[in-house]
Amino acid sequence: DAKTTQPNSMESNEEEPVHLPCNHSTISGTDYIHWYRQLPSQGPEYVIHGLTSNVNNRMASLAIAEDRKSSTLILHRATLRDAAVYYCILLNSGYSTLTFGKGTMLLVSP
Amino acid sequence: NAGVTQTPKFQVLKTGQSMTLQCAQDMNHNSMYWYRQDPGMGLRLIYYSASEGTTDKGEVPNGYNVSRLNKREFSLRLESAAPSQTSVYFCASRDISNQPQHFGDGTRLSIL
Repeated sequence: DAKTTQPNSMESNEEEPVHLPCNHSTISGTDYIHWYRQLPSQGPEYVIHGLTSNVNNRMASLAIAEDRKSSTLILHRATLRDAAVYYCILLNSGYSTLTFGKGTMLLVSP
Repeated sequence: NAGVTQTPKFQVLKTGQSMTLQCAQDMNHNSMYWYRQDPGMGLRLIYYSASEGTTDKGEVPNGYNVSRLNKREFSLRLESAAPSQTSVYFCASRDISNQPQHFGDGTRLSIL
């Protein structure tokens, strides 16, 4: 399975944009890039996913590099509630299971 | 909307006891999953059921059994609990491949 590499932790100030990077140099052509986040003491929550083109939804934006070897999750204005562990996961269209790494712990300061 | 409901939320067992963790979803999803999460780690897949009537092993199936009772319910059983199974257990469901998984709030299980 193709693997992802994320920083262990990042810090941000409230109301500032946050860019969470993910490297996936061995990604295959059919791998989708999924992002989930896990707030303290809760189950993971879906954030966004994409294949080749940049994607936007009400929670975040996903910017995918042209060669697809990296991607960036963008939170446009961080809030205290965005403090969580963010997981970048590759999911092949032919399989149905997610493989979670350790993710990036995002700390947000007031 | 209830989504994915897990019971119980907390449980303490003694080594050797058995227990069944319950999971139910009300979204008419085809696939259901059981994960465990140890402190400071990501989730690891125990078992999953791609559709009603099927179950498959995940990354860490040893010591567990599952039953897909119907389309809504997917239970996880520990036949003889061991301290190494102390963890937080999450159930999830999904409609079709590549759609998001929806997670429950977890069952916090301690085995003494």
